[in-house]
Amino acid sequence: GQQVMQIPQYQHVQEGEDFTTYCNSSTTLSNIQWYKQRPGGHPVFLIQLVKSGEVKKQKRLTFQFGEAKKNSSLHITATQTTDVGTYFCAVTNAGGTSYGKLTFGQGTILTVHP
Amino acid sequence: EAQVTQNPRYLITVTGKKLTVTCSQNMNHEYMSWYRQDPGLGLRQIYYSMNVEVTDKGDVPEGYKVSRKEKRNFPLILESPSPNQTSLYFCASSSREWGEQYFGPGTRLTVT
Repeated sequence: GQQVMQIPQYQHVQEGEDFTTYCNSSTTLSNIQWYKQRPGGHPVFLIQLVKSGEVKKQKRLTFQFGEAKKNSSLHITATQTTDVGTYFCAVTNAGGTSYGKLTFGQGTILTVHP
Repeated sequence: EAQVTQNPRYLITVTGKKLTVTCSQNMNHEYMSWYRQDPGLGLRQIYYSMNVEVTDKGDVPEGYKVSRKEKRNFPLILESPSPNQTSLYFCASSSREWGEQYFGPGTRLTVT
């Protein structure tokens, strides 16, 4: 089945520092989604990337989809304590026939120290 | 309010005692899924459904059953729970194939 590696597993930062999490696949992806899960909460959709080389921004968050559509990154500029949580990528295979099947990465747990 | 609801939110049970976790969405979504979340493993898809009476296995379907008799409901059934099914379970729905997933609040299950 689809494999996706997400790194790092944990990241501790001081408030104000930047943060990046990466998602890597050995196969070409159809699209990639990013989710945020606050401690004790449920995953909440952030964004979907579809096009090769696509870059999208949401305030302090920047999302990139690699040119080969095999990797993606989520970058947070100047982290705040409200950014604490686990960030997941979720992917679907290009040319896949498993309708509705999303594969999630292992997640990156972000801790922000005030 | 558009939402996905799950019940119960917390459940402690014993090995072998059949249980059902209900999931309901009020957004008229065609696609629904069940995931389990375990530390270090992320979210793993158990089953998903593309529409009423159409379901398929995800990555970890063993020990679980689902049904989709109505569009809004997608219950998860554990016929004979075992301790390795202790986990946090999420139901999710989507309006599009591979679209944005709307997650329920989660059900924390402990099987002793």
